[in-house]
Amino acid sequence: SQTIHQWPATLVQPVGSPLSLECTVEGTSNPNLYWYRQAAGRGLQLLFYSIGIDQISSEVPQNLSASRPQDRQFILSSKKLLLSDSGFYLCAWSGPGRGNQPQHFGDGTRLSIL
Amino acid sequence: GDSVTQMEGPVTLSEEAFLTINCTYTATGYPSLFWYVQYPGEGLQLLLKATKADDKGSNKGFEATYRKETTSFHLEKGSVQVSDSAVYFCALSDQISGNQFYFGTGTSLTVIP
Repeated sequence: SQTIHQWPATLVQPVGSPLSLECTVEGTSNPNLYWYRQAAGRGLQLLFYSIGIDQISSEVPQNLSASRPQDRQFILSSKKLLLSDSGFYLCAWSGPGRGNQPQHFGDGTRLSIL
Repeated sequence: GDSVTQMEGPVTLSEEAFLTINCTYTATGYPSLFWYVQYPGEGLQLLLKATKADDKGSNKGFEATYRKETTSFHLEKGSVQVSDSAVYFCALSDQISGNQFYFGTGTSLTVIP
């Protein structure tokens, strides 16, 4: 069966520090991968999605970037964190192609910026 | 463009009460519709789905029927439990929009004993 792993589960970082969050998927090939941010008490904001290695689409201009160095690995990064980057970050995957398949989510990373 | 609108929360119910969370959608094509549940501090879990008009998705006592005529996908449960306390998200995926999902803003449900 397919599984998705996100780490770390929680992270506290000072303003201006770099960031790297990692997400890996097991049990499937060529998945579509997604990064979302969820602010406290708010809905989901799609940050990036990827349909293949090195193919990244950005949904909103921001202080973050994403990379997909391997088929089942998706990394969210920042060179310098801002206070506004605080939130709950969720990685998700869906089956390959354009079909209307469900997305499956990791357990999330809670990021606090001090 | 595609969008999902769900009822504002928070919703507070007594145990064994009937639950309805309204969801309506706008889509350019023929979307699939989903309900997700998020328990405190966790990621989203797929609760149920429906892929075409008049389909009924069901899971764990929850149901939702894909109504094309009213562009709705309301979530219902006949008797809620304390363990159902969570945030519920309605979502759609439309082949025309490619691989993207459109989520509602979420409805927080609290069930009290």
